[in-house]
Amino acid sequence: SAVISQKPSRDICQRGTSLTIQCQVDSQVTMMFWYRQQPGQSLTLIATANQGSEATYESGFVIDKFPISRPNLTFSTLTVSNMSPEDSSIYLCSVKGDTEAFFGQGTRLTVV
Amino acid sequence: AQKVTQAQTEISVVEKEDVTLDCVYETRDTTYYLFWYKQPPSGELVFLIRRNSFDEQNEISGRYSWNFQKSTSSFNFTITASQVVDSAVYFCALSDWEYGNKLVFGAGTILRVKS
Repeated sequence: SAVISQKPSRDICQRGTSLTIQCQVDSQVTMMFWYRQQPGQSLTLIATANQGSEATYESGFVIDKFPISRPNLTFSTLTVSNMSPEDSSIYLCSVKGDTEAFFGQGTRLTVV
Repeated sequence: AQKVTQAQTEISVVEKEDVTLDCVYETRDTTYYLFWYKQPPSGELVFLIRRNSFDEQNEISGRYSWNFQKSTSSFNFTITASQVVDSAVYFCALSDWEYGNKLVFGAGTILRVKS
């Protein structure tokens, strides 16, 4: 199993600012995934982050808006840039296990 | 492209009733995995089950059971004798796991169990 710690757990931010979310895993993993869950909605994959290479973004998500870093095999960050109220969501990081995908507790972001 | 459909947006039952949550999926892959996750009001995602495409055996775990039918591309989830603590959002998801690809989630079904 994998234990994932996300920081911050929640934040309220002013529009136009940026927030960086950290994801720490207790074991080395090749791939890390970042998801967004808008209010009352399902989870949508933002990007896949591999150590040592550029993140791969899903359709509708761009690096300028959601830059991702993956400096090593246990850590990743997602930045939500130039935020607007539409970015208010839960952001979750995830890693692949042998039998399941493990998720962090999520970061509840409110943009005002 | 992969797709997961959970047609039931919200279900309300009275405690001790049985309830079935439907999940229909689409994929062109022959090797794939199906999942169910529970998201209680606290927000974390709780893993319930993974089933691979070559294993059509139904599974029972306590009050939970899953019915996988490739012929109808369905992976339904039944809770027997529901309890208030079962109230949550339940997500069905699909992945072509061997290629380390993403989980595609259904829209989720809100289950409300009333006492």
